[in-house]
Amino acid sequence: DVKVTQSSRYLVKRTGEKVFLECVQDMDHENMFWYRQDPGLGLRLIYFSYDVKMKEKGDIPEGYSVSREKKERFSLILESASTNQTSMYLCASSFRGRGSRSYNEQFFGPGTRLTVL
Amino acid sequence: AQSVTQLGSHVSVSEGALVLLRCNYSSSVPPYLFWYVQYPNQGLQLLLKYTSAATLVKGINGFEAEFKKSETSFHLTKPSDHMSDAAEYFCAVSDPRSTALIFGKGTTLSVSS
Repeated sequence: DVKVTQSSRYLVKRTGEKVFLECVQDMDHENMFWYRQDPGLGLRLIYFSYDVKMKEKGDIPEGYSVSREKKERFSLILESASTNQTSMYLCASSFRGRGSRSYNEQFFGPGTRLTVL
Repeated sequence: AQSVTQLGSHVSVSEGALVLLRCNYSSSVPPYLFWYVQYPNQGLQLLLKYTSAATLVKGINGFEAEFKKSETSFHLTKPSDHMSDAAEYFCAVSDPRSTALIFGKGTTLSVSS
């Protein structure tokens, strides 16, 4: 089974702190994603990566950066945390597949609930 | 552009009743469609997926969904629900032009005894 793990389930930080959220997957997936989830807004894509050292902005990249130095690990960085970044953060991975289309099925980690005070 | 609409942000049913969660999609190409479930304080878990084989898809925990191209719908059903089905459910469509999934805003299912 695919396993996606996230470094923390719950995190409390102060405004202005630099925050690192780590995600690791063990199925050799090429694609990895970071989402934030807020009530009534569903899942919003922050960034995704389709290969080592490659990244693409999602719908809401402002205030975030990412790093992918190894295939299995994808980090989300909040350079200077703010209270409006209090949210549930979900990491996911998917297999790129072969041919013109892949299924794009994504496998999710358990989430990190971040509170910024 | 692809999009997903989940009708009803909150659905309440009695235990043992039929569950129907609605999802409509917009896509210019044949889509792949997914239903995910999220239990409180957990990540998303795949319930079922449609990948252009059979239009009636069976998933885990007794859930199933039917792909109806003419109605651009992929509604999720379960004949008889349980208290343990109380969760948030997300419908998603695959965008063939990228690696992304497009998610609906979710439907919270409440089950009363």
